[in-house]
Amino acid sequence: GENVEQHPSTLSVQEGDSAVIKCTYSDSASNYFPWYKQELGKRPQLIIDIRSNVGEKKDQRIAVTLNKTAKHFSLHITETQPEDSAVYFCAASRNFNKFYFGSGTKLNVKP
Amino acid sequence: DAGITQSPRYKITETGRQVTLMCHQTWSHSYMFWYRQDLGHGLRLIYYSAAADITDKGEVPDGYVVSRSKTENFPLTLESATRSQTSVYFCASSGDRDQPQHFGDGTRLSIL
Repeated sequence: GENVEQHPSTLSVQEGDSAVIKCTYSDSASNYFPWYKQELGKRPQLIIDIRSNVGEKKDQRIAVTLNKTAKHFSLHITETQPEDSAVYFCAASRNFNKFYFGSGTKLNVKP
Repeated sequence: DAGITQSPRYKITETGRQVTLMCHQTWSHSYMFWYRQDLGHGLRLIYYSAAADITDKGEVPDGYVVSRSKTENFPLTLESATRSQTSVYFCASSGDRDQPQHFGDGTRLSIL
């Protein structure tokens, strides 16, 4: 099956700086890559996703890049704010059936 | 999103007991999923369903049973609970194969 690895496990940045979280996947047939944000005690919420026919997608301060050849994808958050503090999960799926998640990155944005 | 609800929110039970976690969605989504979330493992798929009466195993199905007699409900049963099944369980749904998942609020299950 698919194996998704996520790095780093924790990330601390100063408010206003950028944050980058990276994920690698093993199944070259995976074609959908969502990112979720989870605040403490809450449900995971989709923040951005990308499909395998696209190399980059941006939504305001958040962007995701995908390198299919290297089998890795990254989340970029610019101009970080304290409310960006949360755990972020990447995931990979083949045809939207089984989803495999990374182990999560705890992002701390220091004011 | 209020469209997907899980019950109960918290449950404490003993080893060997049967326990059922409920998941209900009001969107008529075709796909439904059950995950468990443990520290250091992220979310791991237990079972998923593509439609009523169609279910399939995920990454960690052992010790769990699911059914989907109606589109809106997808209960998860632990037939004989073990301590290793102590976890937070999330249900999710999606409208179609190319739609993102929406998660419920989760059920925190403790097995003593």
